[in-house]
Amino acid sequence: QSVLTQPPSVSGAPGQRVTISCTGGSSNIGAGYDVHWYQQLPGTAPKLLIFINVNRPSGVPDRFSGSNSGTSASLVITGLQAEDEADYYCASYDNTLTASVFGGGTKLTVL
Amino acid sequence: QVQLQESGPGLVKPSETLSLACTISGGSFGSYYWTWIRQSPGQGLEWIGYIFRSGPGKTSQNPSLKSRVTISLDTSRNQFSLRLTSVTAADTGVYFCARGDWNYNYFDYWGQGALVTVSS
Repeated sequence: QSVLTQPPSVSGAPGQRVTISCTGGSSNIGAGYDVHWYQQLPGTAPKLLIFINVNRPSGVPDRFSGSNSGTSASLVITGLQAEDEADYYCASYDNTLTASVFGGGTKLTVL
Repeated sequence: QVQLQESGPGLVKPSETLSLACTISGGSFGSYYWTWIRQSPGQGLEWIGYIFRSGPGKTSQNPSLKSRVTISLDTSRNQFSLRLTSVTAADTGVYFCARGDWNYNYFDYWGQGALVTVSS
């Protein structure tokens, strides 16, 4: 059971918009710790997608955006492309566990 | 461009010690959290711990693994290492090394991962 809760799967057709939620609690996102998002393509290492809630590393398209509010965060992908099919993980810090924590991951399927 | 590369045995017997090294190229230790993260087959990501090159080398471990985990630095080889003792089948998975931002706790560079299987 992950500390951060994500839906197991989401899907969308090419060109559509999808949202992946990440729900935490008062000891992590709700405590003000930043949320980061990672994309993991099949058989590869995770790649930093969004850092410090809303920032994109160089090379990440602006189709990807992050936001957070209260004890939750969201990753929005607009203009879905086939190459976006991957697993997506949110991450933060938990001050009760004194550990970095990840969500359970969401598998995005592009229909 | 920073690159990280894991190395070590791919097969470890139950009750023995898993040892992995991560070689850093294209960068120095600097002020980063040098981190280990693992992924069990078909599962999500689990943070194992980090070492921070400051003074004697501050470390932090996941409380669920703390008693079994040692992370160390070898500056002469530009490597950091993971030792996980008393392994069981539950420790089977892909082990990633990563560079962590010390201030905001995100991981910006990752190794490709090393598959470790615990089996007799």
